[in-house]
Amino acid sequence: KQEVTQIPAALSVPEGENLVLNCSFTDSAIYNLQWFRQDPGKGLTSLLLIQSSQREQTSGRLNASLDKSSGRSTLYIAASQPGDSATYLCALLEYGNKLVFGAGTILRVKS
Amino acid sequence: GAVVSQHPSRVICKSGTSVKIECRSLDFQATTMFWYRQFPKQSLMLMATSNEGSKATYEQGVEKDKFLINHASLTLSTLTVTSAHPEDSSFYICSALDPSNSPLHFGNGTRLTVT
Repeated sequence: KQEVTQIPAALSVPEGENLVLNCSFTDSAIYNLQWFRQDPGKGLTSLLLIQSSQREQTSGRLNASLDKSSGRSTLYIAASQPGDSATYLCALLEYGNKLVFGAGTILRVKS
Repeated sequence: GAVVSQHPSRVICKSGTSVKIECRSLDFQATTMFWYRQFPKQSLMLMATSNEGSKATYEQGVEKDKFLINHASLTLSTLTVTSAHPEDSSFYICSALDPSNSPLHFGNGTRLTVT
């Protein structure tokens, strides 16, 4: 059974700092890996999707990497802003279009 | 704009009553929708896969008679929490698969509180 772990569980940084969120998984038989953002009491916003054959994806200040062999992914956020404060979730897509989520990292960017 | 609409966003009900949550795909026909549940500070957990025109597939440990899923059309799936109890209080969120595109599109979720 796939297990997804996100470290750290919570992170507080000053505005402008670069930061890295970590996601590890136990089963490398995945179709893709996604990073989502969830604001309190809200749904999910997809940030980046990395296909299993890819190594990384970039969008603006965000860069996500995927290393299937080691079962790891990272989300790099450059020049963090208070508006980046949210919970960040990584999720793996398995057979049957089932997404398996990590518990998330709660990020707070202080102004 | 939103491509998946979930309603209601919040609901408070008394123990023993039933609550229906709707999930609509707005811009596409979704043959498959998914229902998740999220307890505070925990992961989203898949409850069931809803297939248009057929019975839903429930994950292990999810009571199909308690969480009734109906996917009667290509744009609407409903989740009914029957005989709700306080332990059913949670954040329920749906997602819909657009067969012509990826990734999955998520609704904004429903916060259920059972008193």
